[in-house]
Amino acid sequence: SQQGEEDPQALSIQEGENATMNCSYKTSINNLQWYRQNSGRGLVHLILIRSNEREKHSGRLRVTLDTSKKSSSLLITASRAADTASYFCATAMPTGGGADGLTFGKGTHLIIQP
Amino acid sequence: EAGVTQSPTHLIKTRGQQATLRCSPISGHTSVYWYQQALGLGLQFLLWYDEGEERNRGNFPPRFSGRQFPNYSSELNVNALELEDSALYLCASSLLLQPQHFGDGTRLSIL
Repeated sequence: SQQGEEDPQALSIQEGENATMNCSYKTSINNLQWYRQNSGRGLVHLILIRSNEREKHSGRLRVTLDTSKKSSSLLITASRAADTASYFCATAMPTGGGADGLTFGKGTHLIIQP
Repeated sequence: EAGVTQSPTHLIKTRGQQATLRCSPISGHTSVYWYQQALGLGLQFLLWYDEGEERNRGNFPPRFSGRQFPNYSSELNVNALELEDSALYLCASSLLLQPQHFGDGTRLSIL
């Protein structure tokens, strides 16, 4: 079953604009991760935020986590054509100590228009 | 550093047959995970192996099985293939409690 739900399902913006994707989940988590997938290929790990963290940055990426609302957001600033991909949030359950299999949302498909 | 490698890239089978998918983790990684990405169902956790042992499995029937070898590579076996098993099967590896790194997957098509 899917733990996370990304919103929106699809997003199309102009190159240079910022893109924001949201993720909601249902149960307690150890950490939340964001991954990118280019057109049916493997997933690329973007960023991990632990349940005791509220915000994390990596290059043009900013992730927030609100455990009280069971939600997270991924912000990509100054978007580029190469950012066109599907983005997934994934949660790790506390029971596995964070080492268990990840539970993925259905993803946001991001299209960057040149 | 070589990434996670999966073989074959594509696999075509017919209903009732058996499929074997292979995964080589990143050197030094002891955990291997298998996921199924089927159209309309999203990414679903299948199996987790660590140090040669099956640690957990997702909500899949027993005809999905696998193993991890002493060199930490892994096999996923799917018996009695059904049409709905058509999917991209992704393998990931990690050091314990670290982010998972994914291969490019094996696309399994059932005719």
